[in-house]
Amino acid sequence: SQQGEEDPQALSIQEGENATMNCSYKTSINNLQWYRQNSGRGLVHLILIRSNEREKHSGRLRVTLDTSKKSSSLLITASRAADTASYFCATDARLSGNTGKLIFGQGTTLQVKP
Amino acid sequence: EPEVTQTPSHQVTQMGQEVILRCVPISNHLYFYWYRQILGQKVEFLVSFYNNEISEKSEIFDDQFSVERPDGSNFTLKIRSTKLEDSAMYFCASSERGWETGSGNEQFFGPGTRLTVL
Repeated sequence: SQQGEEDPQALSIQEGENATMNCSYKTSINNLQWYRQNSGRGLVHLILIRSNEREKHSGRLRVTLDTSKKSSSLLITASRAADTASYFCATDARLSGNTGKLIFGQGTTLQVKP
Repeated sequence: EPEVTQTPSHQVTQMGQEVILRCVPISNHLYFYWYRQILGQKVEFLVSFYNNEISEKSEIFDDQFSVERPDGSNFTLKIRSTKLEDSAMYFCASSERGWETGSGNEQFFGPGTRLTVL
């Protein structure tokens, strides 16, 4: 698999439920960032978690990072129909010569049903 | 809240034509990036730019591509002779700090320019 692989690829839940998306990666990282993309639109930055951090919160979002397993998860609590979007993890790999480029996963498509 | 802007939102061009995609990064940001997303595929890194020069480029960023910061606000991506496979959404991104921090920084993306090559 490639750097930044999310699972599941698609997730459908009812409004009010929690949604959990996972991301795995291959190399050591400086940080990992989560983005949201509404269909055909731009990427909205959600949260950045650094390699020395294990958990971060932002509103209804909770992100965890396990560098030993090279994985991260994004939890959206009390989901709303407006959360319907694709969610991507992107890694800033700790590589010689890396200039902060982000490597994106394929994304998880979340549908929240009213 | 400051945001990255991009123009045009949609560009249609004929194969072989030159296109220039424009971006205005967030004003106090120093690091600039272009990415692209072919329909239904991953977002792919093209190039990073700092201190008026390219810092890193991907294999996609061949000699048909160039970037420029012609003034203090704009950041452009030029494709000299477009190909059908250049059709994609092109995203500009910027960050306040970069790789020199050792841990990187948030990259904020613009809304994208959808390029269609006919």
